[in-house]
Amino acid sequence: GDSVTQMEGPVTLSEEAFLTINCTYTATGYPSLFWYVQYPGEGLQLLLKATKADDKGSNKGFEATYRKETTSFHLEKGSVQVSDSAVYFCALSESGNTGKLIFGQGTTLQVKP
Amino acid sequence: DAGVIQSPRHEVTEMGQEVTLRCKPISGHNSLFWYRQTMMRGLELLIYFNNNVPIDDSGMPEDRFSAKMPNASFSTLKIQPSEPRDSAVYFCASTRGGSTDTQYFGPGTRLTVL
Repeated sequence: GDSVTQMEGPVTLSEEAFLTINCTYTATGYPSLFWYVQYPGEGLQLLLKATKADDKGSNKGFEATYRKETTSFHLEKGSVQVSDSAVYFCALSESGNTGKLIFGQGTTLQVKP
Repeated sequence: DAGVIQSPRHEVTEMGQEVTLRCKPISGHNSLFWYRQTMMRGLELLIYFNNNVPIDDSGMPEDRFSAKMPNASFSTLKIQPSEPRDSAVYFCASTRGGSTDTQYFGPGTRLTVL
């Protein structure tokens, strides 16, 4: 079945460092890909998404490119801030148009001043 | 838009008691999802509905868990009887239902079973 694998955390960075969180997927068909972020004590919220191969999603300085050839959707940010400390989830849409998402296990990011 | 609304935000109960969690999805959304999040198991999908009909309940851990969606604007997740291992944060999410559509999450209900 469809699945998502994320790099294990926690990831600890200093402020202004470059961030990469790896995400690879296995899917039949052509899923959409998503990154969600969860701040402490809150629900998940969409960070960015890409709906077809070679699309780049971007938001709040974060970017991810849908790479069909490597089945990847890595999250990047050029300069992280303390306020970016959160848990990041990669997800794909299950085929069948139900809106169901398959989530990775989440990666905790801690940014130190 | 008010977003997905969940109640209560916090629930503390004793083992053996019945617990009912409530969710109001975003108006116009056709799919609704119930998740459970714990440190040990991460984020788990329990059940989801499409047009008020349960589509997949394979994530429901035991018969003690049940979920209903009597209309497009309301869903409940019930645990009867509750056990300490049910302690978790329960999230409700809704979406229009297409494969490109965003799931919108509620703030969650933090359940503690003593």
